[in-house]
Amino acid sequence: EVQLVESGGGLVQPGGSLRLSCAASGFIFSDHYMDWVRQAPGKGLEWVGRTRNKVNSYTTEYAASVKGRFTIARDDSKNSLYLQMNSLKTEDTAVYYCVREGIVATLDFWGQGTLVTVSS
Amino acid sequence: AIQMTQSPSSLSASVGDRVTITCRASQGIRNHLGWYQQKPGRAPKLLIYTASSLQSGVPSRFSGSGSGTDFTLTISSLQPEDFATYYCLQDFTYPLTFGGGTKVEIK
Repeated sequence: EVQLVESGGGLVQPGGSLRLSCAASGFIFSDHYMDWVRQAPGKGLEWVGRTRNKVNSYTTEYAASVKGRFTIARDDSKNSLYLQMNSLKTEDTAVYYCVREGIVATLDFWGQGTLVTVSS
Repeated sequence: AIQMTQSPSSLSASVGDRVTITCRASQGIRNHLGWYQQKPGRAPKLLIYTASSLQSGVPSRFSGSGSGTDFTLTISSLQPEDFATYYCLQDFTYPLTFGGGTKVEIK
């Protein structure tokens, strides 16, 4: 059974940093691209970014709203995905989802999400 | 960035109704479109990928069509468990972008 379990969310002050983690199981993690998607309270979905797999040199893509502040990394030996968030803004408040990019289908499996609140 | 415009933003329907939701891309995306269902407090769930392919385990009452800029999600006979918010997503180019969502409510 595919499982994605996010952790690391919480309350942080504007300008602060936070690191989210996602533990994957039930599939060959190293084969897949992995994404982060977020959802502000009561709002729609926003793609945050992607890390490709080893075959594609672990290259990354980011949304303009987070580029230069957020960094996506992965550790295939630990089946884990990370999101380092720096210089956080109040508008970064959201539930952050760890999402698998399918071999055939895009964004085919989602974790349950972790809430990040940026507030003073 | 490609803008995805969903319509309607909300609709009221009854069990058994045929429901159609549309998504329009600001430029052509071939068939690089997915549809997702999200229930309150839950993660989104993939229903349709590459515009018309049914994800494994998804009931056959869900179908997708379209190519280029105009896409449709159809629920042939709405069931009680289908009341949710639906989103389209283009993965033709970066950044990936979602539609604004369509909330399907009980009439």
